[in-house]
Amino acid sequence: GAGVSQSPSNKVTEKGKDVELRCDPISGHTALYWYRQSLGQGLEFLIYFQGNSAPDKSGLPSDRFSAERTGGSVSTLTIQRTQQEDSAVYLCASSRQTDQNEQFFGPGTRLTVL
Amino acid sequence: GIQVEQSPPDLILQEGANSTLRCNFSDSVNNLQWFHQNPWGQLINLFYIPSGTKQNGRLSATTVATERYSLLYISSSQTTDSGVYFCAVEGGGATNKLIFGTGTLLAVQP
Repeated sequence: GAGVSQSPSNKVTEKGKDVELRCDPISGHTALYWYRQSLGQGLEFLIYFQGNSAPDKSGLPSDRFSAERTGGSVSTLTIQRTQQEDSAVYLCASSRQTDQNEQFFGPGTRLTVL
Repeated sequence: GIQVEQSPPDLILQEGANSTLRCNFSDSVNNLQWFHQNPWGQLINLFYIPSGTKQNGRLSATTVATERYSLLYISSSQTTDSGVYFCAVEGGGATNKLIFGTGTLLAVQP
């Protein structure tokens, strides 16, 4: 597609349930990033994938969060046993990972944990 | 880690006015981007500007890397310019993650 796409756009879940968020990066972009935007924390980095290298998971807030990227393209962010503090907008970005590493963002998934 | 500060935190303008938004960062960076987050939450790329000056229509940006700041200029503002403007820097290392400032909330009144 022309841009980064994410699904679902909105997700409401009950505390304790698992959720999966999907990101489809721009075709040809080898780097993929997940960020989170919440009222108290602003925009913060979660995880980074680059090609076949091991992902940088240093931004994941707890072991309930995990992500994978299959075939170097689509990525899924999974949150297990959701908590109310997980409520946020989850944003995905991709870039060409060249000297000019401009990142482009998807529309986000708004997660609400009741 | 790198700290990114933006000023002012919020700004109200009358349509047609000009404005300057500032971004200070605490260490040398490999990349700096300016974004506009529209009312629907979409982050729109404005500039990729690790150094120098760029212009795009009514918007222009200047980054002085040696002095660790960047400026975003908005001229002849329009109501559609309203939203939050974010500066984000990439500090280098193995991960090219962006570190975001807290944003400037701009409201342009007709």
